[in-house]
Amino acid sequence: EADIYQTPRYLVIGTGKKITLECSQTMGHDKMYWYQQDPGMELHLIHYSYGVNSTEKGDLSSESTVSRIRTEHFPLTLESARPSHTSQYLCASSESKGTNTGELFFGEGSRLTVL
Amino acid sequence: KNQVEQSPQSLIILEGKNCTLQCNYTVSPFSNLRWYKQDTGRGPVSLTIMTFSENTKSNGRYTATLDADTKQSSLHITASQLSDSASYICVVSDRGSTLGRLYFGRGTQLTVWP
Repeated sequence: EADIYQTPRYLVIGTGKKITLECSQTMGHDKMYWYQQDPGMELHLIHYSYGVNSTEKGDLSSESTVSRIRTEHFPLTLESARPSHTSQYLCASSESKGTNTGELFFGEGSRLTVL
Repeated sequence: KNQVEQSPQSLIILEGKNCTLQCNYTVSPFSNLRWYKQDTGRGPVSLTIMTFSENTKSNGRYTATLDADTKQSSLHITASQLSDSASYICVVSDRGSTLGRLYFGRGTQLTVWP
């Protein structure tokens, strides 16, 4: 079992609300990621971090923001949720192996529904 | 364009039967290929990793193969069990960028019936 945790697992909110999806890992991994996953589609990278105070946007345009103040914590925030944000959000972490990405350890996911 | 294509999109088999899932990729330069299993409502879990020099690797009833020349990989499941019902995702990593970029397939949804 991977030691990476996401909360909440399920969230239903109204349009315009601000939400934060939490992600924590206890493996001491430097690299952390947020992916968005829709049914039948591939995972899309929305944010990643190589360490404390290091965050970058991924491939998928996203209105969310992230922070990495502590190694183990990588929260994702939506300032104003819209129905188009309805999706499954997966947090992951991996060891640093130079330029190669090691095995990804995923959390259980946060399923967000915006009404 | 770097891509990962998986087939079939979905598959239904009877318990105890074998099956093979396919993954074709165009990612270059190639670093490694992983197969992940994702149970419904859960995060993906790594099953096996294949590097350039490896042709086959087993993990219990799961056997992955890699043909780096044709850029194809397969995941063979032997004597399927109900717990094998899941989505199987092929992920290819390149080694040409500082990101160590990952390319995801859309997955094969496997259903095992009793």
